[in-house]
Amino acid sequence: IAGITQAPTSQILAAGRRMTLRCTQDMRHNAMYWYRQDLGLGLRLIHYSNTAGTTGKGEVPDGYSVSRANTDDFPLTLASAVPSQTSVYFCASSDSEGGAQYFGPGTRLLVL
Amino acid sequence: GQNIDQPTEMTATEGAIVQINCTYQTSGFNGLFWYQQHAGEAPTFLSYNVLDGLEEKGRFSSFLSRSKGYSYLLLKELQMKDSASYLCAVKDSNYQLIWGAGTKLIIKP
Repeated sequence: IAGITQAPTSQILAAGRRMTLRCTQDMRHNAMYWYRQDLGLGLRLIHYSNTAGTTGKGEVPDGYSVSRANTDDFPLTLASAVPSQTSVYFCASSDSEGGAQYFGPGTRLLVL
Repeated sequence: GQNIDQPTEMTATEGAIVQINCTYQTSGFNGLFWYQQHAGEAPTFLSYNVLDGLEEKGRFSSFLSRSKGYSYLLLKELQMKDSASYLCAVKDSNYQLIWGAGTKLIIKP
C-alpha cells in the first residue's frame, strides 16, 4: 500500500441497502476525513477523526456513520442508502488536525 | 455563515499566465489551501498560505491577504496538463477545512 486507498472504486446500490466504504492509509496520519463531492457544491465533510478512537460530525453527517478502531482504517457506513446519497466519496488523511490533507482515489456510488 | 467564492470556470491559452481568485468569509482563519483536481481524479495538494504574501513553488504561486479575505493562485507558462479544477479551502477556527466549489480551468492551444 502506498498512501491512501479506497474500496470499492465504484458501486451501484439499491435503495435501502447497507453499504460500507473502506479507507486505509499507511502514512501513520493521525487525522482522517470523509467527504462527498457533488457537481457545483464542492467537497462537503461528512465525518472526521482527529485520532484513533475518536470521531466527529462534519457538515453533512445524517445517514452516515464511521468508526476509527485503529490509525490506518476509517470505514464509512451507509445504514440504509437513499438516492440522494449518490455521489463521489473521498477519504483523506493529514498528519495533524488542520494539516494538508491527502486524498484517496474516491468511490463513485450510485443509489437507485 | 461560512462562504468561499471562486469563479466557476476560466479559459486561458497555452504558455500564458492565469490568476484564479478566491475570497472567503469564515468563522476564524488558520490558513488557506489550494488543491488541483483533474477530471475523475482526487484532489492533490498544491500550496498552503497562513501569512500574508506570496508563496512561490515552481510555475505555481499563491498569494494571501488576510485583511481582505482574499487569495489567488497564479499559474505561469500554462501547459495543457494544467487543465483541471482548482479548489480553494480555508481552515477555520475549529481547524476544519471549508471548501470552495472549485474553478474549472480550460487551457486552449
